[in-house]
Amino acid sequence: NAGVMQNPRHLVRRRGQEARLRCSPMKGHSHVYWYRQLPEEGLKFMVYLQKENIIDESGMPKERFSAEFPKEGPSILRIQQVVRGDSAAYFCASSKTSDNEQFFGPGTRLTVL
Amino acid sequence: GIQVEQSPPDLILQEGANSTLRCNFSDSVNNLQWFHQNPWGQLINLFYIPSGTKQNGRLSATTVATERYSSLYISSSQTTDSGVYFCAPGDGTASKLTFGTGTRLQVTL
Repeated sequence: NAGVMQNPRHLVRRRGQEARLRCSPMKGHSHVYWYRQLPEEGLKFMVYLQKENIIDESGMPKERFSAEFPKEGPSILRIQQVVRGDSAAYFCASSKTSDNEQFFGPGTRLTVL
Repeated sequence: GIQVEQSPPDLILQEGANSTLRCNFSDSVNNLQWFHQNPWGQLINLFYIPSGTKQNGRLSATTVATERYSSLYISSSQTTDSGVYFCAPGDGTASKLTFGTGTRLQVTL
């Protein structure tokens, strides 16, 4: 029973490029969450999605960031025109229902040069 | 949103020692999880514990929701316990987890 999968594990982008981070939830899970961890800090919630719906995006920066969870395929976190301050570890989590235990993927470490 | 405080922020233990990590939160919760982030950055689920007490091997956790705290007890610590321990309660009306700043544990020989 595979856990939450994220790819790529490491991503290097130059300022101004786009970054696409992918997350496949655990089998049977339809709730996906994205969190960001800046260096030496705790994780901060970004967005909560169910299939084809954004439920809570209160933690998403207002510009350049977007997320989707289509009917088929993985959830995507997209960062346009990346800046150095976007360098962080981005974690995806999934759960079976909205108030169930969340399981985390290995994270994608984004470095912006 | 919920405020989460973890203590102590840093902890050094000699192998074999016991310790208790504390997590205080400011509001009612419907979910609380403890995680261990190992030195490679992976987040490992330790406990899903919105209330009550659970034990798993050398670790146990207790959450008293009415008093707005949770604690994690580590017995007979090992060097592999090193890393950062995060407490993350879930908002009473939403599903997102709010992470504390963590307790950084180093277990020495």
